[in-house]
Amino acid sequence: DGGITQSPKYLFRKEGQNVTLSCEQNLNHDAMYWYRQDPGQGLRLIYYSQIVNDFQKGDIAEGYSVSREKKESFPLTVTSAQKNPTAFYLCASSPLVGGNQPQHFGDGTRLSIL
Amino acid sequence: AQKVTQAQTEISVVEKEDVTLDCVYETRDTTYYLFWYKQPPSGELVFLIRRNSFDEQNEISGRYSWNFQKSTSSFNFTITASQVVDSAVYFCALQNNNAGNMLTFGGGTRLMVKP
Repeated sequence: DGGITQSPKYLFRKEGQNVTLSCEQNLNHDAMYWYRQDPGQGLRLIYYSQIVNDFQKGDIAEGYSVSREKKESFPLTVTSAQKNPTAFYLCASSPLVGGNQPQHFGDGTRLSIL
Repeated sequence: AQKVTQAQTEISVVEKEDVTLDCVYETRDTTYYLFWYKQPPSGELVFLIRRNSFDEQNEISGRYSWNFQKSTSSFNFTITASQVVDSAVYFCALQNNNAGNMLTFGGGTRLMVKP
């Protein structure tokens, strides 16, 4: 089945540690996105990428980094500079052709501080 | 700047009641798209509907219906005869024509349907 796979489902971070969240899609979508969701709040865009080897900052990029070496993969690293990383992280993808197609979402990764 | 407001943070209804989730948006663009997504307890967002700014026809899909009113910048979502399985967080989102498919989300409405 085509879709978006995020791993791990749960992740714990120690102080000063960088952690990487995985996002893989087999939908052949050009664009991929990372969102952060805090309890009781909407989704805020961290980073997005419309093409391999290119990505742009979203609204809350500080303390995060990404790479897009392959079309299928868009990993997110939560660095030690992100002082409040506890949140639910959602990855999404969408085609760019065809005009404003809906984004498809993964099941999310819940990150907590140890 | 774009903004989406979902004023109802939580709604609780009893099964079989009808319920309307409100969504009000702000944008300076004349061409834009509106979406509704459902987030069940499992966490993933499920796409429900997309509507473009030139199509103000209401839409019905089974127990779901959507009322788009450009004059009041609203895109409300009604569930008729609610069921326990409708319990979820519902998000309204806005996308403008040149945003590279990026979405601006509202804060979400948590719907609890009690048996």
